[in-house]
Amino acid sequence: DVKVTQSSRYLVKRTGEKVFLECVQDMDHENMFWYRQDPGLGLRLIYFSYDVKMKEKGDIPEGYSVSREKKERFSLILESASTNQTSMYLCASSRGTDTQYFGPGTRLTVL
Amino acid sequence: SQKIEQNSEALNIQEGKTATLTCNYTNYSPAYLQWYRQDPGRGPVFLLLIRENEKEKRKERLKVTFDTTLKQSLFHITASQPADSATYLCALDEGGNNRKLIWGLGTSLAVNP
Repeated sequence: DVKVTQSSRYLVKRTGEKVFLECVQDMDHENMFWYRQDPGLGLRLIYFSYDVKMKEKGDIPEGYSVSREKKERFSLILESASTNQTSMYLCASSRGTDTQYFGPGTRLTVL
Repeated sequence: SQKIEQNSEALNIQEGKTATLTCNYTNYSPAYLQWYRQDPGRGPVFLLLIRENEKEKRKERLKVTFDTTLKQSLFHITASQPADSATYLCALDEGGNNRKLIWGLGTSLAVNP
């Protein structure tokens, strides 16, 4: 069975802290994605990666960076967390242009 | 601009009835369209994919249609059950070799016993 795991289900951080969210997939997928989801705004793509060390900006990359050093792992970094980054963060992976498989999500609260 | 619209109002139906959810899009020529289910506090889960050359696809109690002329997909759940209560999302590829999906906001379905 396909599996995408995220490092935390719930996370509470303070304004200005550096935050790392990690995502691991075990399906050998080349594509990985980071989304945030907020009520009324749906899924919004932050960054995606189509290969190791490759990344592309999504619709809302400001305030975020990513790292993909290994095929199975895609990290989202909040360099200096702000309260408007409080959200549900979802990681997904896919092969080619096909179905995306999601992790369970990380609910991040920035105080 | 490119846009996907799903029923904005929540859908409430009685157990045993058929639920029909709508996904309309403009300014796209997608090669395929997908439907996902999302439960509160969880990531979306893939349900069905239908390609542009397919009119209809079925999986157990689920049926999806895809009309590229109307730019619309309908998602049906027959003999609905309370366990079908969730938010349902449609997603389109952007076309070409683009790996990204464009997502609708989702429709909330409540099936009442």
